[in-house]
Amino acid sequence: AQKITQTQPGMFVQEKEAVTLDCTYDTSDPSYGLFWYKQPSSGEMIFLIYQGSYDQQNATEGRYSLNFQKARKSANLVISASQLGDSAMYFCAMREHEDNNDMRFGAGTRLTVKP
Amino acid sequence: EAGVAQSPRYKIIEKRQSVAFWCNPISGHATLYWYQQILGQGPKLLIQFQNNGVVDDSQLPKDRFSAERLKGVDSTLKIQPAKLEDSAVYLCASSLQENQPQHFGDGTRLSIL
Repeated sequence: AQKITQTQPGMFVQEKEAVTLDCTYDTSDPSYGLFWYKQPSSGEMIFLIYQGSYDQQNATEGRYSLNFQKARKSANLVISASQLGDSAMYFCAMREHEDNNDMRFGAGTRLTVKP
Repeated sequence: EAGVAQSPRYKIIEKRQSVAFWCNPISGHATLYWYQQILGQGPKLLIQFQNNGVVDDSQLPKDRFSAERLKGVDSTLKIQPAKLEDSAVYLCASSLQENQPQHFGDGTRLSIL
């Protein structure tokens, strides 16, 4: 079964607007971590933000915030004030303590920021 | 701090040939990972090292893939012999410890003819 589901293969957003990239996950492990990575066309994976399963508050890093809804098992990434340089693939990933802390990635969402 | 270094950046070989990739993690990072990313998919973990020991290689096709991290720093991933379906980007990542965020290298893009 898929551990991480990203239902949006592609998203478009107007420059300076906010966008939400969806991510749902499946786990029975009470201890897990959720990550978002950005992958530009050049190929490198850039770590954006992390949310632990026991964290009480939603994670924020600059223009990135994670809308963590534990009961719904969702961890959506919100990018505020989109910039042209935000155009890239975005991957949601989960690491479960009981799974050797292996990182499982979703299929990704391609975000295109329009000028 | 210097990032994760990988080489080569690109590699083209014919099927049934052998190929090796090299990774130098961030200094002090105990945990090292190799991922395979097929076009249009997310990365898939192949193997995880903690220092020079293997933590998880359950998804490594051991009949043709091998990896080592002899001194607990650099690592090499080898494919022998290569198949057409091995065409992918091979990403190396490292983290301070296994529960810390992973930092990725630029990857090696492998094309099999």
